[in-house]
Amino acid sequence: DSGVTQTPKHLITATGQRVTLRCSPRSGDLSVYWYQQSLDQGLQFLIQYYNGEERAKGNILERFSAQQFPDLHSELNLSSLELGDSALYFCASSPHSGLSTDTQYFGPGTRLTVL
Amino acid sequence: DQQVKQNSPSLSVQEGRISILNCDYTNSMFDYFLWYKKYPAEGPTFLISISSIKDKNEDGRFTVFLNKSAKHLSLHIVPSQPGDSAVYFCAASRERNNDMRFGAGTRLTVKP
Repeated sequence: DSGVTQTPKHLITATGQRVTLRCSPRSGDLSVYWYQQSLDQGLQFLIQYYNGEERAKGNILERFSAQQFPDLHSELNLSSLELGDSALYFCASSPHSGLSTDTQYFGPGTRLTVL
Repeated sequence: DQQVKQNSPSLSVQEGRISILNCDYTNSMFDYFLWYKKYPAEGPTFLISISSIKDKNEDGRFTVFLNKSAKHLSLHIVPSQPGDSAVYFCAASRERNNDMRFGAGTRLTVKP
């Protein structure tokens, strides 16, 4: 158990809809990262928040957005969903502002299926 | 753009033998490399890392080798155990840059 929790575990929705994925980092960790893993693909870095502020941005679509709240939990919002958005979405956390030498601890993921 | 590539989607080895997982990268600016292990229904877990100032890092049964001129790294597991069966992801980043790039993973099966 990494200490990172993600809800829900599974989500099934239809094209055009909007969903919110939630992540609670390990106690004391200030950085939260979001990743997408599509079928047979590696993890794609989407975005990082540090202590409530956006820190780094990767391959995140404009239809997607995220935020980190004062209690440090984070939400990833996916809108106007398309079939290709079906994937595993992982959240990770690390202690500091995100030096790459920080170990990132991953949650179990949310499996999103868009029908 | 696939800046980190793991060309072998799967690898099968006998228990007790060496497992060698390979990873290639294209971006010469990468200077920090990591391996993560992933079991089904779990998130990836950090295994071992190496900075570009080194060419080898060892942690128990796991050793990572880095060949900067070839832009290649490998993970050696000796001896392999059935519990090592998992998907292994290679990742790379520029130090102090949080845009970590992952390979597609190699599924290792260690047979008893």
